[in-house]
Amino acid sequence: NAGVTQTPKFQVLKTGQSMTLQCAQDMNHEYMSWYRQDPGMGLRLIHYSVGAGITDQGEVPNGYNVSRSTTEDFPLRLLSAAPSQTSVYFCASSWDRAYYNEQFFGPGTRLTVL
Amino acid sequence: DAKTTQPNSMESNEEEPVHLPCNHSTISGTDYIHWYRQLPSQGPEYVIHGLTSNVNNRMASLAIAEDRKSSTLILHRATLRDAAVYYCILLLIQGAQKLVFGQGTRLTINP
Repeated sequence: NAGVTQTPKFQVLKTGQSMTLQCAQDMNHEYMSWYRQDPGMGLRLIHYSVGAGITDQGEVPNGYNVSRSTTEDFPLRLLSAAPSQTSVYFCASSWDRAYYNEQFFGPGTRLTVL
Repeated sequence: DAKTTQPNSMESNEEEPVHLPCNHSTISGTDYIHWYRQLPSQGPEYVIHGLTSNVNNRMASLAIAEDRKSSTLILHRATLRDAAVYYCILLLIQGAQKLVFGQGTRLTINP
């Protein structure tokens, strides 16, 4: 299994540009989520999904959209990039939403918005 | 969400045990205690979780105080690869798995 994969690894955008961060998992996990990590800080939840067709907002959802058309994929869209969205983005997945299931994290996408 | 408090940093020597403390004085009866760690330039990695009883797995042990207001992650024999930021997180037994990461403890391992 490849686990959780994220593309691209690095990205530089100009203010106002849009882009999609890709996340895929091959473990048949129902629960997927997106976090951002700013320098020197812990991770903050952006959006999450408990299954295909179901998404919900996390702690910092503004400026981001998500969709979950398949179990495997959970893309994160930046509609109009802003310098405040410069961060490292992590995607995670787990069997389901239960408290006892460990989450598996991808390697991250480092995004810089100029 | 109930809050956790951890020391900003700790230091230990290779092949010695490491005890990482976490205070969670406002924990509720339905909160599970989870630990994750993040190695440099990597995504977080699950370590262990528990509710009331002490827990052991291949990576570490989790010791939970009787009143559940604190817990300790124990690395029995630290290696250089254990140098990471360790996060103590509380998860409700019901509801979505929203991991709320604090600042964590940065663990340095000396050779």
